[in-house]
Amino acid sequence: GAVVSQHPSRVICKSGTSVKIECRSLDFQATTMFWYRQFPKQSLMLMATSNEGSKATYEQGVEKDKFLINHASLTLSTLTVTSAHPEDSSFYICSARTSGYADTQYFGPGTRLTVL
Amino acid sequence: AQTVTQSQPEMSVQEAETVTLSCTYDTSESDYYLFWYKQPPSRQMILVIRQEAYKQQNATENRFSVNFQKAAKSFSLKISDSQLGDAAMYFCARSVRNSGNTPLVFGKGTRLSVIA
Repeated sequence: GAVVSQHPSRVICKSGTSVKIECRSLDFQATTMFWYRQFPKQSLMLMATSNEGSKATYEQGVEKDKFLINHASLTLSTLTVTSAHPEDSSFYICSARTSGYADTQYFGPGTRLTVL
Repeated sequence: AQTVTQSQPEMSVQEAETVTLSCTYDTSESDYYLFWYKQPPSRQMILVIRQEAYKQQNATENRFSVNFQKAAKSFSLKISDSQLGDAAMYFCARSVRNSGNTPLVFGKGTRLSVIA
């Protein structure tokens, strides 16, 4: 199956700093990537849809100036949490959609962000 | 709202036995995909099985099979010969066929425990 990597897997930062999370499709081109947030023992909450070469589409209630998304190439999307605060601490997961069979999304391993 | 409902927050099964996880969904589309994803303690989302709504035949993948009832909008997952490694959170999800920008809609998940 298709492989999606995510880096870093874990990050701890101080309040007020910015953190960048990378999502890469390793063996396929992904025109569309998605960013999710997952709180403990809950389902995945879609934050934004990222299309290569265009602006991301954010879900209602997600601050686009706080969560900057850049989809610079067909294999890389980045999420930058700007001026992070403790309430931004969460598990962030990206997925990349293959074109072709079954419109399947493949997920990265996730990034645990802890803001002190 | 187009939703996915998993009515069983938790399930348990004896090793080597069979368990069925339920999922119902709501959609106005006629053609779509359905998925079951597994999230073990590592939190990596793993695709278990997928079903195309226009196919009447139920999908199977080794010990995993689905019971897809399109008219009833039901998509249950059957795990046969349960193994300890099957213990995980299971999410049912739906997407719209041939619509790359449409993200997955997830259920709240069912936590499966496997008893040795």
